[in-house]
Amino acid sequence: GENVEQHPSTLSVQEGDSAVIKCTYSDSASNYFPWYKQELGKGPQLIIDIRSNVGEKKDQRIAVTLNKTAKHFSLHITETQPEDSAVYFCAASGAGGTSYGKLTFGQGTILTVHP
Amino acid sequence: EAQVTQNPRYLITVTGKKLTVTCSQNMNHEYMSWYRQDPGLGLRQIYYSMNVEVTDKGDVPEGYKVSRKEKRNFPLILESPSPNQTSLYFCASRVDGYNEQFFGPGTRLTVL
Repeated sequence: GENVEQHPSTLSVQEGDSAVIKCTYSDSASNYFPWYKQELGKGPQLIIDIRSNVGEKKDQRIAVTLNKTAKHFSLHITETQPEDSAVYFCAASGAGGTSYGKLTFGQGTILTVHP
Repeated sequence: EAQVTQNPRYLITVTGKKLTVTCSQNMNHEYMSWYRQDPGLGLRQIYYSMNVEVTDKGDVPEGYKVSRKEKRNFPLILESPSPNQTSLYFCASRVDGYNEQFFGPGTRLTVL
């Protein structure tokens, strides 16, 4: 089955700096890669996603890049703000059959943005 | 408001005492799923359901049961809880054919 590795496990940055979180996946058939943000006491919430036919996607201060050949994808947050502090999870999803829509998650990254 | 709800949000119980965590969604989603979140392990799928009366095991199903008698509800049952089931549990749902999953607020379970 799919295996997703996420690094780093913790990341501390100063407000205004950029933050990058990286994930690798093992199943070349995976075709959907979402990123979730989990704030304290809440469930994960989708912040951005990318499909395997796209190399990069941006949404304001957040961007995701995908390298299918190397089987890795990254989350980039620019101009970080204290409210970006949270746990971030990457995930990969299968393409078909019973794998369709099944999310395999990375281990999570605790991002702390210091004012 | 479109949402996934879980109850209870917090539960402390003892080994062997059967419990049920409820999950309900008001978005008419076909697919529902249960995950557990443990430090350093991310979220792991326990069970999922593609539709009413259709359920299947995820990656860590041992010690859990589910049922899907109604489209909106997907309860998680621990018939004989053990301390290794102490965890944070999330229910999620999505529309069939779409990838985005919507998560509930979580249930923190402690088994003594």
